[in-house]
Amino acid sequence: GENVEQHPSTLSVQEGDSAVIKCTYSDSASNYFPWYKQELGKGPQLIIDIRSNVGEKKDQRIAVTLNKTAKHFSLHITETQPEDSAVYFCAALSRGGSYIPTFGRGTSLIVHP
Amino acid sequence: NAGVMQNPRHLVRRRGQEARLRCSPMKGHSHVYWYRQLPEEGLKFMVYLQKENIIDESGMPKERFSAEFPKEGPSILRIQQVVRGDSAAYFCASSPGQGRLMRGYTFGSGTRLTVV
Repeated sequence: GENVEQHPSTLSVQEGDSAVIKCTYSDSASNYFPWYKQELGKGPQLIIDIRSNVGEKKDQRIAVTLNKTAKHFSLHITETQPEDSAVYFCAALSRGGSYIPTFGRGTSLIVHP
Repeated sequence: NAGVMQNPRHLVRRRGQEARLRCSPMKGHSHVYWYRQLPEEGLKFMVYLQKENIIDESGMPKERFSAEFPKEGPSILRIQQVVRGDSAAYFCASSPGQGRLMRGYTFGSGTRLTVV
């Protein structure tokens, strides 16, 4: 089955800095990669996603890149703000499989004002 | 996350009791997924259900755990004879159908189960 590794587990930045979270996956059949943000006491919320036929996608201060050859994808947050503080999860999903996403272990992002 | 309703938000049970967790999917969603989240860990898939059918229960422990999604009413995750190791946050997600992108995959706010 799919295995998703996520790093780092904790990331501390100053407000205004950039933050990068990296994930690798093992199943070459995975073709859809969403990112979720989970705030304290809440469920995860989808913030951005990318399909395997795209190398990069951007939405305001958030961008995701995908390297299919190396089987890794990254989340980039620019100009971080304190409200970006949360746990971020990457996931991988194979259309050819059971449509059950495999999640990384999460990154706790702390943005210091 | 207002669309997927989970209750209760917090549940305390003594060892050996039963825990029942409820999940009402978003309107129009017929697929429900249950996940468990332990502290400092990611989301672990447990079971995937459609109305009256279990599609995939590969992540659910074989004993003490069961799930259902009846024709009417919410999906229920049932844990019998709870043990301290069952303490975790349990999240439900719903989607409009299989094969859809996860843009339609919505999580609830979770039930935090504490076994004392």
